[in-house]
Amino acid sequence: DTGVSQDPRHKITKRGQNVTFRCDPISEHNRLYWYRQTLGQGPEFLTYFQNEAQLEKSRLLSDRFSAERPKGSFSTLEIQRTEQGDSAMYLCASSTWAPGTGYTFGSGTRLTVV
Amino acid sequence: KNQVEQSPQSLIILEGKNCTLQCNYTVSPFSNLRWYKQDTGRGPVSLTIMTFSENTKSNGRYTATLDADTKQSSLHITASQLSDSASYICVVSETGANNLFFGTGTRLTVIP
Repeated sequence: DTGVSQDPRHKITKRGQNVTFRCDPISEHNRLYWYRQTLGQGPEFLTYFQNEAQLEKSRLLSDRFSAERPKGSFSTLEIQRTEQGDSAMYLCASSTWAPGTGYTFGSGTRLTVV
Repeated sequence: KNQVEQSPQSLIILEGKNCTLQCNYTVSPFSNLRWYKQDTGRGPVSLTIMTFSENTKSNGRYTATLDADTKQSSLHITASQLSDSASYICVVSETGANNLFFGTGTRLTVIP
């Protein structure tokens, strides 16, 4: 499978707990993006990496959120002290830097905070 | 403000019928426009991508059009199938920017 992989597919956690999601991009893609999507809405941009450098962060990415891409390959998104409002689908996408290239999305991680 | 608006919000059609989804955007400067299909609980899957100079692009039963002057795009689905039931999201990127502007999608339901 050469697509974008995300793990886990589903996560249920109690409020206040920390969670970590993983994204494995397409191997030749040097750009990696995280998005959050709530029911009935389009994805909202969270952050973007080019190789291992985190180049842009949305103001949606509060202090409780941190993303890393230590070796420029897979990335992790951690949410500390989860709140019910964090319940959403977290999508990862990757792309090359070629103009007009399409993003490839993963299947997402569905987070439910109870 | 860069925005992408889609219509209708939802649509129900009979299997075998055609339908057209609309996307209007205000993103500027414009780089490209993409249509994605998103099944429930899954990530978006790319259908088409069009740059400024492209007016139409087809992918099987899906045909996308782009009018960069009026900043409008449409996605036409021919001979709909039950498997076409999904959300269709219009996504526009801005020249020089690293993120995308997403519409809220059109929820299409194809019924037998």
